[in-house]
Amino acid sequence: AQTVTQSQPEMSVQEAETVTLSCTYDTSESDYYLFWYKQPPSRQMILVIRQEAYKQQNATENRFSVNFQKAAKSFSLKISDSQLGDAAMYFCAYSRTGNQFYFGTGTSLTVIP
Amino acid sequence: DSGVTQTPKHLITATGQRVTLRCSPRSGDLSVYWYQQSLDQGLQFLIHYYNGEERAKGNILERFSAQQFPDLHSELNLSSLELGDSALYFCASAKITPVTEAFFGQGTRLTVV
Repeated sequence: AQTVTQSQPEMSVQEAETVTLSCTYDTSESDYYLFWYKQPPSRQMILVIRQEAYKQQNATENRFSVNFQKAAKSFSLKISDSQLGDAAMYFCAYSRTGNQFYFGTGTSLTVIP
Repeated sequence: DSGVTQTPKHLITATGQRVTLRCSPRSGDLSVYWYQQSLDQGLQFLIHYYNGEERAKGNILERFSAQQFPDLHSELNLSSLELGDSALYFCASAKITPVTEAFFGQGTRLTVV
């Protein structure tokens, strides 16, 4: 089975600062998809950003960007200009064919005013 | 709004009972996934259905079963409930040709007393 590892159970960041959440994954495939999801206190799972492995360009969505290092099997999420509303649990996920989405254990992000 | 509808939102039942959770996927999505999230835990994959057929199975207990109907809605049946089954149950839907992100419903919070 594929594994997705988030080695930072908790992170904190000052409001308006930048924070990077780490994610590594294990796969022998060359084509796959990676995702970051946000789970705020409401517990709703919200997609933050996605990356196709065949694309060399790192995905960006407004203040959110990724650093995708395919050879290192690393997929980190950078949040710029952190806002109070960014406080949430963040999950990294991997999928190869769509038959299953493999999730990491999550990183709890606290934003300090 | 993700477009995925789960009912009911909350459910309280006694040990030994049986419940049915319902999920309507986004329009056009043929895949439905079920996940279990216990308090402060990650997402545990239960099962994936694609266009009515089971595609992948995770650590789903024998007391649990699921199916996807011709109209693509899905039901997760939980029987002989135990206190430890108390959790948030998520349904998600996706297209897998090509692979897209999984869109999550708001979840059903099950409390077994």
